[in-house]
Amino acid sequence: GENVEQHPSTLSVQEGDSAVIKCTYSDSASNYFPWYKQELGKGPQLIIDIRSNVGEKKDQRIAVTLNKTAKHFSLHITETQPEDSAVYFCAAIPGGFKTIFGAGTRLFVKA
Amino acid sequence: ETGVTQTPRHLVMGMTNKKSLKCEQHLGHNAMYWYKQSAKKPLELMFVYNFKEQTENNSVPSRFSPECPNSSHLFLHLHTLQPEDSALYLCASSQALGGGLNTEAFFGQGTRLTVV
Repeated sequence: GENVEQHPSTLSVQEGDSAVIKCTYSDSASNYFPWYKQELGKGPQLIIDIRSNVGEKKDQRIAVTLNKTAKHFSLHITETQPEDSAVYFCAAIPGGFKTIFGAGTRLFVKA
Repeated sequence: ETGVTQTPRHLVMGMTNKKSLKCEQHLGHNAMYWYKQSAKKPLELMFVYNFKEQTENNSVPSRFSPECPNSSHLFLHLHTLQPEDSALYLCASSQALGGGLNTEAFFGQGTRLTVV
């Protein structure tokens, strides 16, 4: 069935370094890929998204890349700050309404 | 705040109790969702409503009963739950169903449910 794999499950970086989270999806019909950030005690919040007609999108320190051929997409955070510490979820929507989420990556940014 | 409000934030209930979770969205969205978030597992979609009509029941046990009286409100009625149902229950809404424009989901803060 539809599946989204997310790696790593835990990521620890030094403040100022970059962080990269990678996801792969199984359904080639997927055409929308949102990324969510979940802070402690809060629900997930959309931070950036990318659609299948675009290969890369950037918003300040956050960027996403998409390789449709390989069914890979990645989140890149540059110049990490302690407030970036959270759980990040990738997701894919295969043209319907059923969003498939990855298992999440817990990011720790050490000051 | 995202415009999606869930109450209560925390709930402890016995296995024989009946309780309800409430979700309200102030965004004018047409689709609403219930998700279950357990430790170390991906978010699990439970139910989807579009224009008050249920469009998805993801093989959820009947001890969970959703209700959507209008596009702004969503309830999850709980009865005879099991300890393994303890989790964070998240409500979300979107302008439209997934894949096209304006389909990103906005989540509430969740209800932390503990079944004892």
